[in-house]
Amino acid sequence: DVKVTQSSRYLVKRTGEKVFLECVQDMDHENMFWYRQDPGLGLRLIYFSYDVKMKEKGDIPEGYSVSREKKERFSLILESASTNQTSMYLCASSIPGQGYGYTFGSGTRLTVV
Amino acid sequence: DAKTTQPTSMDCAEGRAANLPCNHSTISGNEYVYWYRQIHSQGPQYIIHGLKNNETNEMASLIITEDRKSSTLILPHATLRDTAVYYCIVLPGGSEKLVFGKGTKLTVNP
Repeated sequence: DVKVTQSSRYLVKRTGEKVFLECVQDMDHENMFWYRQDPGLGLRLIYFSYDVKMKEKGDIPEGYSVSREKKERFSLILESASTNQTSMYLCASSIPGQGYGYTFGSGTRLTVV
Repeated sequence: DAKTTQPTSMDCAEGRAANLPCNHSTISGNEYVYWYRQIHSQGPQYIIHGLKNNETNEMASLIITEDRKSSTLILPHATLRDTAVYYCIVLPGGSEKLVFGKGTKLTVNP
């Protein structure tokens, strides 16, 4: 079964910490995405990557960076975590140009205290 | 990207058809209609998509009006497991990024 795997289901971090959220896909997809989901705001795109070492800002990139050194792995980095980054983070992958082909991970619920 | 309008919530009885509407009055000729759903505590899951013609797969049917300004997702025999938020998304063919609205929360009642 094809999968997008997020390394942690639940994570608690302190304000100011550097936080890494990891995502791995086994489908050989070129595209990978990071979204966050908050009540009342829905899913919002943070960053996406269309190839190794390539990235593009989404709608809310402030306070985040990403890394894609290998095709199967896409990391979201919170340089200095803040309480307003407490959220559910969802990773996805897709084949380019196919809006029907997105596969999402189960999400990481991050709490920043 | 074209915007979509969906009802905030809907209810459906188990075993009955669930008909979820979506308005996309500014859709362009090269834009597809996609439907995803998100069951509680999971990531979104693709359901179906279409351009002009009605589509059916093992999960659902998609009815697109002739003027393409609206569509309806039909779950023919809803079960409790179909309780989820359903997102209608309009995207140009070849577009790389899914943009999610608020969706419709469908509750299937026993």
